[in-house]
Amino acid sequence: SQQGEEDPQALSIQEGENATMNCSYKTSINNLQWYRQNSGRGLVHLILIRSNEREKHSGRLRVTLDTSKKSSSLLITASRAADTASYFCATDRTTDSWGKLQFGAGTQVVVTP
Amino acid sequence: DGGITQSPKYLFRKEGQNVTLSCEQNLNHDAMYWYRQDPGQGLRLIYYSQIVNDFQKGDIAEGYSVSREKKESFPLTVTSAQKNPTAFYLCASGQTGELFFGEGSRLTVL
Repeated sequence: SQQGEEDPQALSIQEGENATMNCSYKTSINNLQWYRQNSGRGLVHLILIRSNEREKHSGRLRVTLDTSKKSSSLLITASRAADTASYFCATDRTTDSWGKLQFGAGTQVVVTP
Repeated sequence: DGGITQSPKYLFRKEGQNVTLSCEQNLNHDAMYWYRQDPGQGLRLIYYSQIVNDFQKGDIAEGYSVSREKKESFPLTVTSAQKNPTAFYLCASGQTGELFFGEGSRLTVL
């Protein structure tokens, strides 16, 4: 079963706009991660936020985590056409078998010039 | 360059045949993973290995088998017992939480 669920399923924006996507999960986690996947390619790790952290930044990316609501958000600022991809959240629920990530179905983002 | 290499990129199989997907990493990671991705869906864990000569079933292990004889290699065999093998298969490795993925192998059953 999928632990994380992203919302929206698809997002279409213009270059320069911000893109926000959300992830909800069901059980307690150790950390939550966001990945990007270009069409037909492997996943690329973007950012990891631990359960005791509330916000994290990496370049144009901003991730928040609200463990009380079991939700996270990914904000991409000043989007570019190259940001067109699918974005997945993944939760790590265990302390002894890290890497057993549970992935959501993803948000497909299209950035038009 | 350091990374994960999956081969072949595309594979076609007739029903009833076993096929083996290769995954090699030179990142010196202890843990390796196999995920399956179906269209429009997230990834589901097939098998994982945290150390050489040991591996564990993931959420959808039925119809699949793996081996981990070397730290660098984690091949996945899709057996004829797998009912719906057509999918995109992704191998990953990790050491400190984040995963590094290969470029995937797309298997189509004819």
